[in-house]
Amino acid sequence: QVQLQESGPGLVKPSQTLSLTCTVSGSSISSGGYYWSWIRQPPGKGLEWIGHIHSSGSTYYKPSLKSRVTISIDTSKNQFSLKLNSVTAADTALYYCASGLLMGFFDPWGQGTLVTVSS
Amino acid sequence: DIQMTQSPSSLSASVGDRVTITCRASQGIRNDLGWYQQRPGKAPERLIYGASSLRSGIPSRFSGSGSGTEFTLTISSLQPEDFATYYCLQHNSYPLTFGGGTKVEIK
Repeated sequence: QVQLQESGPGLVKPSQTLSLTCTVSGSSISSGGYYWSWIRQPPGKGLEWIGHIHSSGSTYYKPSLKSRVTISIDTSKNQFSLKLNSVTAADTALYYCASGLLMGFFDPWGQGTLVTVSS
Repeated sequence: DIQMTQSPSSLSASVGDRVTITCRASQGIRNDLGWYQQRPGKAPERLIYGASSLRSGIPSRFSGSGSGTEFTLTISSLQPEDFATYYCLQHNSYPLTFGGGTKVEIK
């Protein structure tokens, strides 16, 4: 059974880079043709898909974030990561990692990690 | 981007009530739609895929229907553990987009 766990700084200064990691257990990140996704949720608001990386290495990002986002896989650590640069207060959110065999089938999810952008 | 419009944004209901939530897509998405439940303080959980297929382990009081641009999630008899926020998600085309959510509260 695949399990996911996010980790990373809870506080990031404006204009800096937000970096989060999702550690995968119960499955090899490079096998099985999974999609590995990042989704965020501003406090008290709805869900926003950020992007994903397929186990083949192909990526797709939400166009409005594309210029600032990078999602990558580290097979040696069985992790995938999110980097979001030039952050502002609008990037303050609970960040979830999720996976699925089919695009849009988010199952399971990590527990989420809150990132606050503030000086 | 395909816009997903959920209604209502919130509702109050009693245990045992039948509840229906609607999701409308700004363009046709076939049946490439899922429904997710998010309980307070928890990560979302997938309930329905392919617009109408129940994920394994999800109670049969949940059902989904629709195709194209209009979709519904129905809870046939609301239980205490169903008080949560529900989101639809289209995965027909990039970028994947969620509806704004429907919060189901206790009356």
